[in-house]
Amino acid sequence: AQTVTQSQPEMSVQEAETVTLSCTYDTSESDYYLFWYKQPPSRQMILVIRQEAYKQQNATENRFSVNFQKAAKSFSLKISDSQLGDAAMYFCAYPGNEKLTFGTGTRLTIIP
Amino acid sequence: NAGVTQTPKFRILKIGQSMTLQCTQDMNHNYMYWYRQDPGMGLKLIYYSVGAGITDKGEVPNGYNVSRSTTEDFPLRLELAAPSQTSVYFCASSYAYNEQFFGPGTRLTVL
Repeated sequence: AQTVTQSQPEMSVQEAETVTLSCTYDTSESDYYLFWYKQPPSRQMILVIRQEAYKQQNATENRFSVNFQKAAKSFSLKISDSQLGDAAMYFCAYPGNEKLTFGTGTRLTIIP
Repeated sequence: NAGVTQTPKFRILKIGQSMTLQCTQDMNHNYMYWYRQDPGMGLKLIYYSVGAGITDKGEVPNGYNVSRSTTEDFPLRLELAAPSQTSVYFCASSYAYNEQFFGPGTRLTVL
């Protein structure tokens, strides 16, 4: 069974600094996707970034980037130049067996 | 494209009442899902569907029913509402194993 683990229930970062959120997963597949979702106080689930496992290059979307280590089954999210609007719950997710498996989430607080 | 729409946005039910949460997507996605999110928690899968006429149970299906008669619609039925069903409900859709697109959620309170 696929599992997704986020070991940091809460993180905080000073505005304009960089923060990294951790995620590990377990799968026997060789080709798959991985996702990071953001859930701000509005509760809307927003896709932040996705990584395709067969691509060696780490995905980047503006200030958001990932450190994907396939052998270690690690998929961390780096947020650069943190902004107040980045404050949210962040969920790592792995799609397998016809459904997404979510981690338990990391609550990110931005300190002005 | 409206994406995934859910109605209603808010609802208060009395114990024992029934209701249907509506979900519609206009992206021609074959996969659709229902999740619930309790305060401070992650998402738990209730039911999902891989196409019209096909549904399957997720992690927490008890107390709920679904149907999928069209590609676009995936309603969630609550029978005999209980306080334990107080939660925020999200509908989502995807094309196969790709990223899921979420609706804005329905906040349900059972008193």
